[in-house]
Amino acid sequence: KAGVTQTPRYLIKTRGQQVTLSCSPISGHRSVSWYQQTPGQGLQFLFEYFSETQRNKGNFPGRFSGRQFSNSRSEMNVSTLELGDSALYLCASSSSRAETGELFFGEGSRLTVL
Amino acid sequence: TQLLEQSPQFLSIQEGENLTVYCNSSSVFSSLQWYRQEPGEGPVLLVTVVTGGEVKKLKRLTFQFGDARKDSSLHITAAQPGDTGLYLCAGEYRMNRDDKIIFGKGTRLHILP
Repeated sequence: KAGVTQTPRYLIKTRGQQVTLSCSPISGHRSVSWYQQTPGQGLQFLFEYFSETQRNKGNFPGRFSGRQFSNSRSEMNVSTLELGDSALYLCASSSSRAETGELFFGEGSRLTVL
Repeated sequence: TQLLEQSPQFLSIQEGENLTVYCNSSSVFSSLQWYRQEPGEGPVLLVTVVTGGEVKKLKRLTFQFGDARKDSSLHITAAQPGDTGLYLCAGEYRMNRDDKIIFGKGTRLHILP
């Protein structure tokens, strides 16, 4: 079956702009989590959605937001971009009702903020 | 605050050598996962260990969960260039009736042919 699909794969933005990233989970998976990956901080949890509800949220400012649609597809948005937002943003889907369980990651969206 | 420390941060060895990487914490985890991430891709799950002292083997890879469920190790025998990648450990724990997962920063492994 098709894996987790993230779009776009690469994008360049300037400070102050906003960006929307999209994630299509594996068919049948209802849990979608978002992570930010940087060389210095590693993988950091942003938020997790299950059945269109945000079930958990990491320690990121309110500029980072997300949502999940009825078909389980998810989007995350970052407003008023800062240089430090440059990172690989990874989406992971899971079939488990609990937050944990095997995570299936997409290839990520690499964001560069100039 | 739950923390997972991975060591070494970087490791570069010759093909055919053996190596061990570590994942340590002062916290107890209900289970621990190991992922491998290759350049340009997302992490892929290698194994999940659940029981203290558990040992799992995946071909040339041996994973061990510490008796106290606070640490884990990954041993690779006769490393091959295909083992190159970023190895991440992730610990699952429960807080305030919610199940959570935290990742270490990873060990970047490079196997020289």
